[in-house]
Amino acid sequence: RKEVEQDPGPFNVPEGATVAFNCTYSNSASQSFFWYRQDCRKEPKLLMSVYSSGNEDGRFTAQLNRASQYISLLIRDSKLSDSATYLCVVILTGGGNKLTFGTGTQLKVEL
Amino acid sequence: EPEVTQTPSHQVTQMGQEVILRCVPISNHLYFYWYRQILGQKVEFLVSFYNNEISEKSEIFDDQFSVERPDGSNFTLKIRSTKLEDSAMYFCASSAERPGELFFGEGSRLTVL
Repeated sequence: RKEVEQDPGPFNVPEGATVAFNCTYSNSASQSFFWYRQDCRKEPKLLMSVYSSGNEDGRFTAQLNRASQYISLLIRDSKLSDSATYLCVVILTGGGNKLTFGTGTQLKVEL
Repeated sequence: EPEVTQTPSHQVTQMGQEVILRCVPISNHLYFYWYRQILGQKVEFLVSFYNNEISEKSEIFDDQFSVERPDGSNFTLKIRSTKLEDSAMYFCASSAERPGELFFGEGSRLTVL
């Protein structure tokens, strides 16, 4: 089983739509969780950390369900500029600052 | 805004040649990393570096790889004898103290022929 698993997509949505991505992780002792964004052929950029109680940053909401080993990202009112690959990232317990990446979910926001 | 810079942006080399990829991390950051991404695949951890030594490395980071911070600003990745399967985008990253919040450079694309 992959350490971090994501639906690769692509998710094609119209501008203004709400879209949600899910991610599962295999190691129950994972300690920290993040969403990164990667534009085509560019570097990953931190979108947001994911806290146990869930957290929101503008149009973006992240949730963590430790019991199900599941992380989600909700994007409201999608913009064309949200088109990118969204990477689910986990730090395993004892993994120091080493990030384990999922393969990413591709989002295409269309007019 | 401070950023991580990498050179070269693209390097083409022959199999068996040595390659050095260079990075200038953000100046007040303490942790430095190399990741790589083979085309169409996920980003993979190679090595982390703190306090002038390797703090962790992956199985990919074998004896052909080495890292150095020669002068307090540059952070380099050396591949001693490149193989075809080393072709990838290599990302340097740095972070302050908060785990997981990394700043990545734009990457160095390595093509091994």
